[in-house]
This record gives sequence, structure tokens and C-alpha cells, in this order.
Amino acid sequence: AQSVTQLDSHVSVSEGTPVLLRCNYSSSYSPSLFWYVQHPNKGLQLLLKYTSAATLVKGINGFEAEFKKSETSFHLTKPSAHMSDAAEYFCVVSVISRNTDKLIFGTGTRLQVFP
Amino acid sequence: DAGITQSPRHKVTETGTPVTLRCHQTENHRYMYWYRQDPGHGLRLIHYSYGVKDTDKGEVSDGYSVSRSKTEDFLLTLESATSSQTSVYFCAINPTSGRARDTQYFGPGTRLTVL
Repeated sequence: AQSVTQLDSHVSVSEGTPVLLRCNYSSSYSPSLFWYVQHPNKGLQLLLKYTSAATLVKGINGFEAEFKKSETSFHLTKPSAHMSDAAEYFCVVSVISRNTDKLIFGTGTRLQVFP
Repeated sequence: DAGITQSPRHKVTETGTPVTLRCHQTENHRYMYWYRQDPGHGLRLIHYSYGVKDTDKGEVSDGYSVSRSKTEDFLLTLESATSSQTSVYFCAINPTSGRARDTQYFGPGTRLTVL
């Protein structure tokens, strides 16, 4: 069965330092993977997605993620954190299904950014 | 927000009462989804629709029903609300083929409290 595991429920960084949010996936076929961000009391916004093209995926707001099949990982990184990056981040895998492919969400990682 | 609105945005109700949440889209997309978000669980799919009057169950469909009588509206009904259905509910649309490489876009959410 397809699933994702977000390895950290909370990550704290100082402004200007690198961000690493870790995600491992399980899939019996080549997956489509996504990172979504949710700011407090807001809906979800797509950061980036991997759909079997380039393994290094660039997203919005300076984020990127690297698909590593050998490690079954899809970690999200940013070279320099900004205060506005404080939010909850979800790693998501898409599951092939009968009428529409479905999204399976990780449990989320809350990113805190300190000045 | 990809032209998605949800109503109401906030609702407080009592156990045993029926509740209907509405998702409205302005772009006539075929695929629509209802999720619930709970701490420690990420988002979980309740029901989805792949066309007018075409709906199917997601992973947490017990206690919920849906209807889609026209393309733009997807209704989620709790026939007899329970406290375990206190949650934030998100509607999403897929503007393309409903397949793995496509992005889902999310509405702003409805916060439901069942007392």
C-alpha cells in the first residue's frame, strides 16, 4: 500500500538558516509526490510536485525537494528560512485508483522560524 | 484558491442534528473531493466525485454522504452529527484528468464543531 511518513512532527530553525523537512514514502510503483503548505487558519497550497521527470524539483518560495528512489525519500529543503515560512507542511503521495487518483497525506511537520 | 468557496466557514451544532456543507467551484471542473483534517492525521479523503451524480467513497466515509446534482456544487452531509465529526473540512478540485500527476487545489475550509 502507498503511504508517506513525515519523520519530524516539529522543526525549529532560526531565520536565515537552512530548512530540512523529511519525508519517506512507500509505493509499489513509481509514485507522484507532492509537498503542500498550510499557513495558520488557511487552506493548503501546493509547494512542488514530482511526477517522474527530473528528480530535483523546484517549487515556490525557494523550496526544493529531491526524489531519491534508493532511499524512498522526498525531503523538502530551503537554503535560508524566512519568518513567513512558519507553517505546517504536508508530504503527499498519489495513489492510482479506479475513477480518480487519490492523495494520501502525511501527518504534517510544523515549522517554527525564530528571529 | 482556484475559484473554490466553501460554506459555511464555521458551524457549531449539536449531536444528532443533520449538517450540510457546500463546496462551490466556478470553473466546471469534473473532479471534486471532500477531506477532513484532524491533528495527527493530516488530511483524509471522505468522498469524491468524478462527474454529476458520480460519487464514490474515500477512506473515512462512514457517517457521511455526498451529492452532486450540478457540476459546480458538491455537498457533504452528516446525517446525524457526532462529536467525532468535529473537524476542519476541506473541499478540493482537480482541474485536469484526475490522475496522479495532477494537482489538487483546496478551498479555504469549514470548521465544524459538534457539541
